[in-house]
Amino acid sequence: QQQVKQSPQSLIVQKGGISIINCAYENTAFDYFPWYQQFPGKGPALLIAIRPDVSEKKEGRFTISFNKSAKQFSLHIMDSQPGDSATYFCAASREDSSYKLIFGSGTRLLVRP
Amino acid sequence: DAGVTQSPTHLIKTRGQQVTLRCSPISGHKSVSWYQQVLGQGPQFIFQYYEKEERGRGNFPDRFSARQFPNYSSELNVNALLLGDSALYLCASSLWTGSYGYTFGSGTRLTVV
Repeated sequence: QQQVKQSPQSLIVQKGGISIINCAYENTAFDYFPWYQQFPGKGPALLIAIRPDVSEKKEGRFTISFNKSAKQFSLHIMDSQPGDSATYFCAASREDSSYKLIFGSGTRLLVRP
Repeated sequence: DAGVTQSPTHLIKTRGQQVTLRCSPISGHKSVSWYQQVLGQGPQFIFQYYEKEERGRGNFPDRFSARQFPNYSSELNVNALLLGDSALYLCASSLWTGSYGYTFGSGTRLTVV
């Protein structure tokens, strides 16, 4: 019940295309769903986050879509750029044990010029 | 403003040895969390400290311990190192207890040989 399952494991997209990464969770008590971006040799950096009372959140080229009934959420990167090439992690946490994030296994995104 | 700083950046230890990793949070942040990231996987929660008290512990053996100092910096200690402890150890700081608004450091790469 604590797992967050992420897919695909890797993704190759042409410059200007849309990158889509999906995550699924089991624990309905989760109430915070962030996405992190990690470049080689760096720690994860918060990209965008959503709470379950909202179905979509957009920040620039990045959009989170959230489907509470399906217990799924996804990250969409519009107009993907080579600089977006990185590993992306979804995560989830719950307020009553809010000290920890449960991370997905990551998606390695390569955006080709 | 300085971000989360971790030291050392890289470390090589022999099986059975002990290691201490250090973390300085962002100025004003009172909470420090530690995560272990094995190559190719998402980070896994080890500890969270807030105001020098342990607020949460992940599923790690007692060989792992940590503490937080009055200046909010933190140390992670690992005793009796195993080959499987080889990983990137990440420190994240936040203003309050919880997983919201984490800022991660770049991590310490520990290699156990």
